[in-house]
Amino acid sequence: NAGVTQTPKFQVLKTGQSMTLQCAQDMNHNSMYWYRQDPGMGLRLIYYSASEGTTDKGEVPNGYNVSRLNKREFSLRLESAAPSQTSVYFCASRAPAGQETQYFGPGTRLLVL
Amino acid sequence: QKEVEQDPGPLSVPEGAIVSLNCTYSNSAFQYFMWYRQYSRKGPELLMYTYSSGNKEDGRFTAQVDKSSKYISLFIRDSQPSDSATYLCAIPSGGFKTIFGAGTRLFVKA
Repeated sequence: NAGVTQTPKFQVLKTGQSMTLQCAQDMNHNSMYWYRQDPGMGLRLIYYSASEGTTDKGEVPNGYNVSRLNKREFSLRLESAAPSQTSVYFCASRAPAGQETQYFGPGTRLLVL
Repeated sequence: QKEVEQDPGPLSVPEGAIVSLNCTYSNSAFQYFMWYRQYSRKGPELLMYTYSSGNKEDGRFTAQVDKSSKYISLFIRDSQPSDSATYLCAIPSGGFKTIFGAGTRLFVKA
C-alpha cells in the first residue's frame, strides 16, 4: 500500500517550458487535490477533483491545468512555466465522505529559472 | 484578514519543554479542527483532530479549541528532538476544501 505517490521528486525548468506533475493514490479515495507550498504562505489549493470526472479551481489556479485521468490519477500541468511557479507541489487525496483527513504525497520540488 | 492565521515561527525550545502552538480563525461556523505535522522534505501527516470545544489528548499531545475566542492550540509535553517539524493547523471549510495555516516551524534542541 503506497498511499499517494508523486513524480518527479525534483525538476528544474527554464521559463516558458512546460511539464506535467503526476500523482496517483491507491486508497480508492474519490477526492484529490493539488497544493503549492511556499515559505510563510502555507498550503494553497491550486485545483481539486471532488470525484472522477470533475475538477474545480482552488485559490491559485492561474498558470495551471489539471486532468483527472481516472479514480487513481490526478495530474497537474504547467503550460508555460514562470519563476513565480517555483515552489513545492503536493498532491493529496481525501478519505471517504464524513472524514476530513487528507493524505499527502512526498512532494515535487520545482525550480523555474 | 486570512481565514486562518498561524505564526510561522520558528520556535526553538530545549528538550523536555512544554510547547504551545496556536492558530486563530475568523469564521464562527467552523466546527472541525485538525493539526498536521510535516517533517523536512516530507508531506504533511494528520496528527490530531477535534470536533468540539475543549481538550483532546493523545499521548504527549493535547489539542484545545476555544470557539468563543476562535482560537485553537496544540500542546506538546516533554518535547523531544524527534518533534522537530512544521505544525500546520487545518480547518475544513465546507464542501471539499480545507484551509491550512502557514505552519509553525518547531526546533527541539537536545
